[in-house]
Amino acid sequence: DGGITQSPKYLFRKEGQNVTLSCEQNLNHDAMYWYRQDPGQGLRLIYYSQIVNDFQKGDIAEGYSVSREKKESFPLTVTSAQKNPTAFYLCASSPLDRGSNQPQHFGDGTRLSIL
Amino acid sequence: EDQVTQSPEALRLQEGESSSLNCSYTVSGLRGLFWYRQDPGKGPEFLFTLYSAGEEKEKERLKATLTKKESFLHITAPKPEDSATYLCAVQKAAGNKLTFGGGTRVLVKP
Repeated sequence: DGGITQSPKYLFRKEGQNVTLSCEQNLNHDAMYWYRQDPGQGLRLIYYSQIVNDFQKGDIAEGYSVSREKKESFPLTVTSAQKNPTAFYLCASSPLDRGSNQPQHFGDGTRLSIL
Repeated sequence: EDQVTQSPEALRLQEGESSSLNCSYTVSGLRGLFWYRQDPGKGPEFLFTLYSAGEEKEKERLKATLTKKESFLHITAPKPEDSATYLCAVQKAAGNKLTFGGGTRVLVKP
């Protein structure tokens, strides 16, 4: 079955530690996205990528980094510079928009907490 | 700045009690409005895309409508399995980025 796999489901971070969240998709989608979801605030865009080896900052990129070395994979690193990392992180993918709006498809998220 | 506001924040319904959720938006050049359903601890699941004012889409007990400033998600005769958070998002004329509203949590009691 095609889909988006995020791992781990739960992650704990110690002070001063960087952690990496995995996102893999087998939908052959060009575009991938990372969102952060806090209670009552909806989803906010962290980073997105429309092609391998290229990515753009979203609305809340500070304290995060990404890479896009393969079409299928878009890992997110939460660095020690992100002072409030506790949240639910969601990865999404979509075909590149070529005039017919394609919805983004989401994984089941990683919940990150501070130890 | 693009803004999407959903109301109410939470909605408690009895089974069979129809209701509507509102999504108001301010965006320069709307390309599409998306509705998603999200269950606790899961990622959002796509429901509908609406493109232009006057458009309607239906799926089972859900019907989405669009005007120039807002969208409504009507839930007709809801069942407990319709309990979820419903999210709307807008896409501008240029690019693939979505701007999400804060969601409406719906609880349907038997």
